[in-house]
Amino acid sequence: AQTVTQSQPEMSVQEAETVTLSCTYDTSESDYYLFWYKQPPSRQMILVIRQEAYKQQNATENRFSVNFQKAAKSFSLKISDSQLGDAAMYFCAYEGGVGDDKIIFGKGTRLHILP
Amino acid sequence: DTGVSQDPRHKITKRGQNVTFRCDPISEHNRLYWYRQTLGQGPEFLTYFQNEAQLEKSRLLSDRFSAERPKGSFSTLEIQRTEQGDSAMYLCASSFTSGTSKFFGPGTRLTVL
Repeated sequence: AQTVTQSQPEMSVQEAETVTLSCTYDTSESDYYLFWYKQPPSRQMILVIRQEAYKQQNATENRFSVNFQKAAKSFSLKISDSQLGDAAMYFCAYEGGVGDDKIIFGKGTRLHILP
Repeated sequence: DTGVSQDPRHKITKRGQNVTFRCDPISEHNRLYWYRQTLGQGPEFLTYFQNEAQLEKSRLLSDRFSAERPKGSFSTLEIQRTEQGDSAMYLCASSFTSGTSKFFGPGTRLTVL
């Protein structure tokens, strides 16, 4: 069975600094998708970034980028120029390929932004 | 607003009562998912639909839980004979098809007294 592990329950970063959230996963599949979701205190889950496993290029979305290491099964999220609005729970998530459509989430990392 | 909507946002019930939640997905999305999230945890998959067909159910979904999507649009999740352990946030998500991004609704917070 696939698993997603986030080893950092909480992290803090100074405003305007850069922070990296870690995620590892386990799968025997070669075709899959990886995501980072943000859940602010209002609790609506928001998609931050998405990575297809077949793509070697790391995904980027404005201040958010990932470091996808397929062989190591590692998928970290880098947030540059951290802003107060980035404070939230961040969930790493895995979705299998065709025929395995459910998302499996990690336990999350709570990110605090220090002014 | 064309996002995923859920109703009600909050539900307080007494143990043993039945409750029903509704999810309205993004209109052109064929797939609809239900997740449960307890405090401090990541969401756990419950079930999902492709149009009106329920394609997969988690072992977490006991016999007291049933989900429907009768016309391939909105979905309902019913919990019969609620227990205190059912207290959680119930999240709905939708996507256009397999492999495409999933968009989540605001959730229904259930409290069982």
